[in-house]
Parts: sequence; structure tokens; C-alpha cells
Amino acid sequence: AQSVTQLGSHVSVSEGALVLLRCNYSSSVPPYLFWYVQYPNQGLQLLLKYTTGATLVKGINGFEAEFKKSETSFHLTKPSAHMSDAAEYFCAVSVEADTGRRALTFGSGTRLQVQP
Amino acid sequence: DAGITQSPRHKVTETGTPVTLRCHQTENHRYMYWYRQDPGHGLRLIHYSYGVKDTDKGEVSDGYSVSRSKTEDFLLTLESATSSQTSVYFCAISALGNTEAFFGQGTRLTVV
Repeated sequence: AQSVTQLGSHVSVSEGALVLLRCNYSSSVPPYLFWYVQYPNQGLQLLLKYTTGATLVKGINGFEAEFKKSETSFHLTKPSAHMSDAAEYFCAVSVEADTGRRALTFGSGTRLQVQP
Repeated sequence: DAGITQSPRHKVTETGTPVTLRCHQTENHRYMYWYRQDPGHGLRLIHYSYGVKDTDKGEVSDGYSVSRSKTEDFLLTLESATSSQTSVYFCAISALGNTEAFFGQGTRLTVV
């Protein structure tokens, strides 16, 4: 079975500083990887995804993530934080079961605070 | 936004009562999922469906049942609600099993 670990339940950065949210996964088969963002009292919105191909993927709002198979990681970064980035971020993995079916498995989330 | 409507959006119910949450989609996506979100646990999969009358259990399915009689509707039922089922419930849809899922706005359920 696959699993996702997000290091740090809370991360605080200053406006304009680098954002780094960490995600490690475990999977015995090639995974698809996702980052979602959740603003207060809302559903989840896809930031970016990795399925195959280029390991550096770019998403919305200036975020990007790099798939590193050797490190089983998919860390999310943004060069310069903005106040509007304050939200909760979830890393998720999807692998194909023997049945050929997939479902997302989520990490426990990281709440990002941006200080003025 | 993907056409996903969850109802009700908020509900307070008493322990031991049955509760049904509804997820309705207008995207004609084949796959539908129910997750619950609790602090410190992220989102955990309850049940999912790969088509009409084709459902399967997720990691936290105890105490929950689902039904999908039409492509557009996926119902989650708590047969006898307990306080441990107080949570925010999210429905998600996916066009194929290997692409991203789109989420509804959530249903906040409180069992007292």
C-alpha cells in the first residue's frame, strides 16, 4: 500500500521568502503525485501533478515541484511567498492497484502561514 | 469549477440516527469518491465508485455505506451516526482513474 508523509504540520515564512513544503511517499510501483491547496472553508484545488515525463512540474500561482525517485520525494516550492498563499497544502499519491483502479492517498497536510 | 454539488452543506444530527449525504455531478465523470477530513489526518478515503452499481471500500469504511444508481449521484449513508463520525466530508470526481480528482465544497457533519 502507498503512503504519504508531509514533514511539518505548520510552516511559517515571511512575505517574499522561499516556500518549501516537504512530501515523501512510499510506493512499490510508479506513482502519480499531486499537490492540492485548501483555503478556509473550501474544497481542495489542484496545484500541480506529476504523472510521467519531466520531473520538474510547474503549477498554478507560481508553485512548482520536483519528483525525485531516488529520494521518494515530491517537495513543493515557490520562490517568493505572497500573503495570498496562506492556506493548507496536501500532498497526494495515486498508484494503480492490481484491479487497475486508482484512488488518491493524502498526507496529513501542512498549514502555511505568511507573515507580513 | 467542476460541476460538483454536495448536500447538505451543514448538518447537525443526534447519535444513533441515520444520515445520508449526497454528491451530484454534472461532468459525467465515471469515478466518484467520498473522503473525510479530520485535523492531523488529512483526507481519508471512505468509499469509491467506478461506475453505476460498482463501489469499493476505502481505508475508513466501517460505519458507512454508499450507493450509486445513476452516474451523476453518489450517496454516502451513516446507518447509525456516532460522535466519531463528526467530520467534514468531501466528494470528489475523476474522469479516469489516473488523472486528478476534482473536489466538492464539503459537508460539515456534527453528531451530538
